Amino acid sequence: EVQLVESGGGLVQPGRSLRLSCAASGFTFDDYAMHWVRQAPGKGLEWVSGISWNSGSIGYADSVKGRFTISRDNAKNSLYLQMNSLRAEDTALYYCAKDSVAAVQGVSYNWFDPWGQGTLVTVSS
Amino acid sequence: SSELTQDPAVSVALGQTVRITCQGDSLRSYYASWYQQKPGQAPVLVIYGKNNRPSGIPDRFSGSSSGNTASLTITGAQAEDEADYYCNSRDSSGNLNYVFGTGTKVTVL
Repeated sequence: EVQLVESGGGLVQPGRSLRLSCAASGFTFDDYAMHWVRQAPGKGLEWVSGISWNSGSIGYADSVKGRFTISRDNAKNSLYLQMNSLRAEDTALYYCAKDSVAAVQGVSYNWFDPWGQGTLVTVSS
Repeated sequence: SSELTQDPAVSVALGQTVRITCQGDSLRSYYASWYQQKPGQAPVLVIYGKNNRPSGIPDRFSGSSSGNTASLTITGAQAEDEADYYCNSRDSSGNLNYVFGTGTKVTVL
């Protein structure tokens, strides 16, 4: 069974740092790109960051660029999100998700499946 | 970065058909995927690519796309389909950049 389990969330003061982890199992981790997606309380989904299978390609949302760093350890089947200079608006449930890709007639498409259950980050003094 | 716009809420009578739309420039280049989220649960993939359903997703869910608009259709909506639905696509701003739609709350009457 493909499974993603996030950890590392908690209550943190503004300006401080936190590191999230996502443990993957049930699939060949280093074959897939991975992502972090967050959801503020009562709000919609926001893509945060993504990393390719070999860490050669990385992307960030403008809202976290320069403050968050995504990384992965394929030997440990783990994905990470280092969050620095945290702000109140970073308060959210953070999900990790596996990226899959396919191509039909030269057109590629991606999807996120599965998702973990999320880890809650609360930024407050 | 791109934006994907969805209607905030739609309602559908039990057994009827509802279409949820997602509009954005990125959809001219990339297929959308669709996610269902029920309260207190993680999102679940329901449609990806041109019109593909993951294993376990009922065939009443279907997807389509035209120009800058992607659509998710539920044909014969059931009570258990009441949920929030989000579209998602790659963002032209970067190879691994993505964007989610604003979300649509579907109420089954």
